[in-house]
Amino acid sequence: AQSVTQLDSQVPVFEEAPVELRCNYSSSVSVYLFWYVQYPNQGLQLLLKYLSGSTLVKGINGFEAEFNKSQTSFHLRKPSVHISDTAEYFCASRGNDYKLSFGAGTTVTVRA
Amino acid sequence: DTEVTQTPKHLVMGMTNKKSLKCEQHMGHRAMYWYKQKAKKPPELMFVYSYEKLSINESVPSRFSPECPNSSLLNLHLHALQPEDSALYLCASSLGDSPYNEQFFGPGTRLTVL
Repeated sequence: AQSVTQLDSQVPVFEEAPVELRCNYSSSVSVYLFWYVQYPNQGLQLLLKYLSGSTLVKGINGFEAEFNKSQTSFHLRKPSVHISDTAEYFCASRGNDYKLSFGAGTTVTVRA
Repeated sequence: DTEVTQTPKHLVMGMTNKKSLKCEQHMGHRAMYWYKQKAKKPPELMFVYSYEKLSINESVPSRFSPECPNSSLLNLHLHALQPEDSALYLCASSLGDSPYNEQFFGPGTRLTVL
């Protein structure tokens, strides 16, 4: 079964500063990777996904992630955060089955 | 219509009550999912329906009973729940059950069991 590890449980960051959220995945022949965001008291929204092709993936709200096969990583980045980016972020992977395996989550708190 | 809707938003029930959660999508998706999410934790998969048939039950207790009456609707029937079942219940759907297919999540139903 696929699994992912989010290396940071909490990331405090100042407004307009860059942020990086780290995610490592377990190696497999086929892996599909996703980053989801969950704002307080809401469901999950897909930020971006890697299925194949270009290793640099651009998503919504200015986020991007880089798939690195040699390091089995899929880190999420944003060059300049806003207060509204305060949320919980989940990395997830899926192999050739139904199951979406989530990491433990990273809480991002953006301060003015 | 590109969203998954869930009703009710909040539900408080006693341990002897019977209630149901409802999920609906009109995106033509043929796979639908129930997840349970405890506070500060990631979602945990409960059930998967593919083409209106139950394809995965992640060893969920029988007090949770899913139902898929048609391709747009997914229900979760609740009976004799325990306080530890209090959580956010999320519904999701995807075009198919391929790993390629993005899952779209609803806003969730926050359930409190007294």
